[in-house]
Amino acid sequence: NAGVTQTPKFRILKIGQSMTLQCAQDMNHNYMYWYRQDPGMGLKLIYYSVGAGITDKGEVPNGYNVSRSTTEDFPLRLELAAPSQTSVYFCASSYSLAGVGNEQFFGPGTRLTVL
Amino acid sequence: GENVEQHPSTLSVQEGDSAVIKCTYSDSASNYFPWYKQELGKRPQLIIDIRSNVGEKKDQRIAVTLNKTAKHFSLHITETQPEDSAVYFCAASKSGANNLFFGTGTRLTVIP
Repeated sequence: NAGVTQTPKFRILKIGQSMTLQCAQDMNHNYMYWYRQDPGMGLKLIYYSVGAGITDKGEVPNGYNVSRSTTEDFPLRLELAAPSQTSVYFCASSYSLAGVGNEQFFGPGTRLTVL
Repeated sequence: GENVEQHPSTLSVQEGDSAVIKCTYSDSASNYFPWYKQELGKRPQLIIDIRSNVGEKKDQRIAVTLNKTAKHFSLHITETQPEDSAVYFCAASKSGANNLFFGTGTRLTVIP
């Protein structure tokens, strides 16, 4: 099992550019999440999905979009990159609800810089 | 929504000493409290968790305690080793919730 994979590992964007961060998992997990981690801060939830075709906003969704066409993939889209989106982005997955104690498995992260 | 506060933000201990990291939460309905460890440049990984029906849980050198009345929980690491150096995140969630709320992290440094 590869677990949760993310691409790219690093990316530099110019203000106003767009990009898609890719995330895939091979554990047949229903739940997938996107977090951002700013320096010295905790993980903030951007979007999550409870299954193919179902997505919902987290704490900090502005400036991002997601889709979930398959169980395996959960891409995160930045349409108009802004310096405030400079961060490390983690994708995660879990078998079921976070609240019942299902471990979230994290990907290796994508370090994004917007200049 | 839930608000999780974590202290201290940084902690340095001598190898062999104990380390304690504390978290408080705001939502009295929260009943699941995991701890994640993130080594430098690596992904967060679950190290221990506790549910609200127990007050303490141990796994070798690490333990977590929970005080539901006071709405706080703590991570205890005994006999610290250099490989314990990392950032530790607490989190909270509740039954039926789809996501975790994370604290801001504690950077633990174990000095050999």
